[in-house]
Amino acid sequence: AQSVTQLGSHVSVSEGALVLLRCNYSSSVPPYLFWYVQYPNQGLQLLLKYTTGATLVKGINGFEAEFKKSETSFHLTKPSAHMSDAAEYFCAVSDRGGTASKLTFGTGTRLQVTL
Amino acid sequence: ETGVTQTPRHLVMGMTNKKSLKCEQHLGHNAMYWYKQSAKKPLELMFVYNFKEQTENNSVPSRFSPECPNSSHLFLHLHTLQPEDSALYLCASSPRDYTKETQYFGPGTRLLVL
Repeated sequence: AQSVTQLGSHVSVSEGALVLLRCNYSSSVPPYLFWYVQYPNQGLQLLLKYTTGATLVKGINGFEAEFKKSETSFHLTKPSAHMSDAAEYFCAVSDRGGTASKLTFGTGTRLQVTL
Repeated sequence: ETGVTQTPRHLVMGMTNKKSLKCEQHLGHNAMYWYKQSAKKPLELMFVYNFKEQTENNSVPSRFSPECPNSSHLFLHLHTLQPEDSALYLCASSPRDYTKETQYFGPGTRLLVL
């Protein structure tokens, strides 16, 4: 069974600063990894996902994440935060070849962006 | 616009009421999902439908009853709920029921059980 740990339920950064949201996973097989974002009063939206190939994945809105097998991590970064990035971010993991019931979400990290 | 709509957006109901949540997707997908989102807890998958057939029931109490009349519509019928059922209920869809595929979420129904 897989699991996800998101370190820090709340992260606050200044506008223009680096955004780093941490995600560590546990999986008995090579995983698929996802980052979703949830803006207030909205559903989740996929930011990026890693399935195969290049371990540095680029997503929407300038976000990217790097799959590091040795560290079992999939941290989300953005070089320069914007006010519109304020939202809740969810990391998720699944086993390869599984059905959607095998997708496990973390508890989320709320990102605050200040002036 | 995510292509997945949910109605109502907010619902307040008593424990003896019966109500239904509706989800519609305009993306041509074949898999649809119900999730429960509670504060401080991971997203919980409740039900999965693939080509109108239920493929997953994640030990959900029988007071929640899903219905999928076609691949575009998904309902969640509610009866005799408990206050702890208060949460945001999210519907999602994907081309098929594979974890590799991106799920597209609706905005959710915020449910309060009194």
